[in-house]
Amino acid sequence: NAGVMQNPRHLVRRRGQEARLRCSPMKGHSHVYWYRQLPEEGLKFMVYLQKENIIDESGMPKERFSAEFPKEGPSILRIQQVVRGDSAAYFCASSLLQRGSTDTQYFGPGTRLTVL
Amino acid sequence: GENVEQHPSTLSVQEGDSAVIKCTYSDSASNYFPWYKQELGKGPQLIIDIRSNVGEKKDQRIAVTLNKTAKHFSLHITETQPEDSAVYFCAASTKTALIFGKGTTLSVSS
Repeated sequence: NAGVMQNPRHLVRRRGQEARLRCSPMKGHSHVYWYRQLPEEGLKFMVYLQKENIIDESGMPKERFSAEFPKEGPSILRIQQVVRGDSAAYFCASSLLQRGSTDTQYFGPGTRLTVL
Repeated sequence: GENVEQHPSTLSVQEGDSAVIKCTYSDSASNYFPWYKQELGKGPQLIIDIRSNVGEKKDQRIAVTLNKTAKHFSLHITETQPEDSAVYFCAASTKTALIFGKGTTLSVSS
């Protein structure tokens, strides 16, 4: 049973370019969460999505960041006009079903974004 | 909102010793508390979790205790081995997300 898949594993972008990060949840999971991890820090919640719905984006910066989880295909975290401060590891997690947020979240290997 | 404090930030033990990591949380509505292990360059891996209707849970060398009144929970690793060396994160649930502590770097020397 494949785990959470993320690609690319490493992404290098120049300032002003766009970054697209993809996440395929575990088989059967319909809930996806994105987290950001800065060096020497814990993980910070960004957004929680179900298929075709954004449930909670309270952790997402208001500008340049967007996320989607279409009916078909992976979830996408999109960062427009990247800046050096966007350099971080971005992790996706998935869960089976939502029961007051007590579901186990399983994490992918992450995408390490470097902005030059 | 929820805030999670984790201590210590670094912990060095000899192989065979026990290691204890402690976390406190602020939101009394939180009811799920997982612990993750993260090795260098990898994603967090769930090692054990506990829900608010339970005070203690054990899985081989790993145990977690929860004190809801005091709003703190702890991870206990017994008979530590070099392969236990990693960064450990505690987390507490909100309605839609996990709020993580800043992590504890555990080093087990042989």
